[in-house]
Amino acid sequence: EDKVVQSPLSLVVHEGDTVTLNCSYEVTNFRSLLWYKQEKKAPTFLFMLTSSGIEKKSGRLSSILDKKELFSILNITATQTGDSAVYLCAVFSSNTGKLIFGQGTTLQVKP
Amino acid sequence: NAGVTQTPKFQVLKTGQSMTLQCAQDMNHEYMSWYRQDPGMGLRLIHYSVGAGITDQGEVPNGYNVSRSTTEDFPLRLLSAAPSQTSVYFCASSYWENTEAFFGQGTRLTVV
Repeated sequence: EDKVVQSPLSLVVHEGDTVTLNCSYEVTNFRSLLWYKQEKKAPTFLFMLTSSGIEKKSGRLSSILDKKELFSILNITATQTGDSAVYLCAVFSSNTGKLIFGQGTTLQVKP
Repeated sequence: NAGVTQTPKFQVLKTGQSMTLQCAQDMNHEYMSWYRQDPGMGLRLIHYSVGAGITDQGEVPNGYNVSRSTTEDFPLRLLSAAPSQTSVYFCASSYWENTEAFFGQGTRLTVV
């Protein structure tokens, strides 16, 4: 059965800290992995990863995929209170056409 | 450009009532999906469609029906509402399986 697992489930840090969020998956016919940020409304897109070892970067956020070990990480450097949100990882399976989400990581950044 | 439009935004139902959540997209996307989100559970896939006339079950399909008669519309029907279906529902669409998925604004459903 297709599965996406995120860790940790929740995290509390202080402004300026660096955080690493993890996403592991077991999906038949992996196609792509997506990261989303959700702040009390619909998820907003951050990154899509399809190839191993190629870092995607946007400001203080970056992400990388390891297709051999079946995981991805999302890094946030110099965190700000505005980074407080639920971060969701999702994987597309080309065999089924499904987009499967993990449970999410709730990040709280304290001033 | 509207993107993905979900209606209604809020709904209260009595146990046993039926209703349809509407989802429409104007981006000519082939893939459409319905998710429910409960606290601590992430987004769980209810039903999905890879094109008009094609639907399939996700992780939690029981109690829900879907149809996809056009590329644009993907309604979700609750057949006989139960308190366990109290949740926030999201519709999503994407052009293909290696492209970004776009989300509607969500429907907060309460079943009493």
